[in-house]
Amino acid sequence: GNSVTQMEGPVTLSEEAFLTINCTYTATGYPSLFWYVQYPGEGLQLLLKATKADDKGSNKGFEATYRKETTSFHLEKGSVQVSDSAVYFCALNSLTAGGTSYGKLTFGQGTILTVHP
Amino acid sequence: KAGVTQTPRYLIKTRGQQVTLSCSPISGHRSVSWYQQTPGQGLQFLFEYFSETQRNKGNFPGRFSGRQFSNSRSEMNVSTLELGDSALYLCASSSQPLDYTNTGELFFGEGSRLTVL
Repeated sequence: GNSVTQMEGPVTLSEEAFLTINCTYTATGYPSLFWYVQYPGEGLQLLLKATKADDKGSNKGFEATYRKETTSFHLEKGSVQVSDSAVYFCALNSLTAGGTSYGKLTFGQGTILTVHP
Repeated sequence: KAGVTQTPRYLIKTRGQQVTLSCSPISGHRSVSWYQQTPGQGLQFLFEYFSETQRNKGNFPGRFSGRQFSNSRSEMNVSTLELGDSALYLCASSSQPLDYTNTGELFFGEGSRLTVL
């Protein structure tokens, strides 16, 4: 079955530090990959996505590249801000060759990021 | 544009009781999904509905059920509550179900936090 593994957290950084959150996956079919973010007291929001190998998703200074050879989709940001403090979830949706969707996202465990001034 | 609205936001029940949670999707969205979020298991898929039809169901016991109405609003019900059902229940909507026309962009509500005593 499908699965997503995120780096163990939590992650604590100082403002303007470089961020990497690792994500690897196993999937059948042709997965699309996502990063969702959950700010305190809120629901999840889509941060970025990539739908095929070598695609780079980017948004709000965050980037992630779909690496099929290493089955990875690591999240990076060059300079984090206090407002980036949140829980980050890597997720995938895998479609079969016939186009049938599993109709669900498979999420990683989430990584808590805390950024200090 | 109003977001996904979930009610109630918080509720406390005792073992053996049942609970019904409600979700109003973004206007115009016809697909609704439900996820259970717990510290131990993370985000687990419960159901996906589109045009009043359940398209997919996660690996949960029959005590968990759901439905979708003609106005796209959805409800989920948990009967005979157990302590382990304590969780944040998240509803997500999208204009299309998860397939080739929508690879995974879901819009989440803030969730209903259920505590079972």
